[in-house]
Amino acid sequence: AQKITQTQPGMFVQEKEAVTLDCTYDTSDPSYGLFWYKQPSSGEMIFLIYQGSYDQQNATEGRYSLNFQKARKSANLVISASQLGDSAMYFCAMRDTEGQGFSFIFGKGTRLLVKP
Amino acid sequence: KAGVTQTPRYLIKTRGQQVTLSCSPISGHRSVSWYQQTPGQGLQFLFEYFSETQRNKGNFPGRFSGRQFSNSRSEMNVSTLELGDSALYLCASSFAGTGELFFGEGSRLTVL
Repeated sequence: AQKITQTQPGMFVQEKEAVTLDCTYDTSDPSYGLFWYKQPSSGEMIFLIYQGSYDQQNATEGRYSLNFQKARKSANLVISASQLGDSAMYFCAMRDTEGQGFSFIFGKGTRLLVKP
Repeated sequence: KAGVTQTPRYLIKTRGQQVTLSCSPISGHRSVSWYQQTPGQGLQFLFEYFSETQRNKGNFPGRFSGRQFSNSRSEMNVSTLELGDSALYLCASSFAGTGELFFGEGSRLTVL
């Protein structure tokens, strides 16, 4: 069965420093994609970045980048130059390809707190 | 372009009552899915609709149901509410059931 694991329940980072949020995954599907979402206290899940299993390069979107290590089945999110507004829950997810339709599997999330 | 809109944002119910939550997807999106988020279980998939057809359902009891209308708007219903149904219910839409999910701000249900 597919699975997403985020082992860091909470993280602290000093403002303007970089932080890495861990995500490991398990799937038998050779074609898959990893997604990262940010959830501020308002509740809305905001899409951050996507990495496809066949992408040759690690994905980057502004201050967000993915450290994708396929052999290790890890897709860690790196946030550079942290800002106070980055304080939120962060979820790693992948599409569930074992069922019908279109659904995602999410990790338990990591709560990031950026300190001034 | 308007985002995903969920109503109501907050509601309080008592055990045994029923509740209906509404979701309006991004214009042009035909896939609408629902997720339940609780501190203990995290985000769990409820069901997904595409062109008014339920394509997939998560592991939830029959008290949880949903539907999608011809304009892609969706509703979910929970009957005979239990304390454990207290959660944030998130609706998400996608263009054709591909790519990323676009989420609403959720409906926070409290069952007393």
